[in-house]
Amino acid sequence: AQSVAQPEDQVNVAEGNPLTVKCTYSVSGNPYLFWYVQYPNRGLQFLLKYITGDNLVKGSYGFEAEFNKSQTSFHLKKPSALVSDSALYFCAVRDGIYNQGGKLIFGQGTELSVKP
Amino acid sequence: KAGVTQTPRYLIKTRGQQVTLSCSPISGHRSVSWYQQTPGQGLQFLFEYFSETQRNKGNFPGRFSGRQFSNSRSEMNVSTLELGDSALYLCASRDLTPTSGGADPYEQYFGPGTRLTVT
Repeated sequence: AQSVAQPEDQVNVAEGNPLTVKCTYSVSGNPYLFWYVQYPNRGLQFLLKYITGDNLVKGSYGFEAEFNKSQTSFHLKKPSALVSDSALYFCAVRDGIYNQGGKLIFGQGTELSVKP
Repeated sequence: KAGVTQTPRYLIKTRGQQVTLSCSPISGHRSVSWYQQTPGQGLQFLFEYFSETQRNKGNFPGRFSGRQFSNSRSEMNVSTLELGDSALYLCASRDLTPTSGGADPYEQYFGPGTRLTVT
C-alpha cells in the first residue's frame, strides 16, 4: 500500500534562514508525489509535484523539493523563510495511476512556524 | 476562473441528523473528490466522482454517500451523524479532459472546506 510519513509534527525556523520539511514515502511502482500547504481556515493549496524527470522540482512561492529515490524521500525546501510561510504542510502520494482515480494519501502534516 | 466553492462553510448538526454538503468544481473540471480532515485521523479520502459516476471510494461506512450532477457539481451526504463525524470536509476538482490544452490531470484544486460540528 502507498504511504507517506512526515516525521516532524512541527518545524521552527527564523525568518531568512533556509527551511526543510521532511517527507518519506513507501510506494509500489513509480511514485507520484505532491506538497500542499494549508493556511488557517483555508483549503489546501498546491505547491509542487514530482511525476518524473529532474529530481529537483520547483514550485510556487519559492518552494522546491528534492526527490531522492535511494532514500525514498521528498523533502520540501526553501532557501530563505518568510513569516508568511507559517502554515501546515502536507506531503501526499497518488494512490493508483492516472485515469484510475484521483485518490491522494496524505501525511499527517507538519506545522511550520517562522519567527521574525 | 473561479476556484472550487463549497457550501455551506460552517454547519452545526445534532447526533442522528443527516447533512448534505455541496461542492462546485472549477469550470470545466469534471472530476470531484472529497476528503475528511480531522485532528486525529488527518486527511482521508472519501470518494471521487467523474462524469456522474463514482470511480473510487475510501474506507468509510455506508452512512457517507455522494453524487455528482451533469454540471459536475457534487454533493456528499452523511446520515445518522455521530460525534466523530465532526471534521473539515474538503472538496477538490481536477481536469481530466485531454483537449483542454495545458491541463494537468495530476493537480487537484481544493475548496475552502465545510466545517461540520456534530453536537
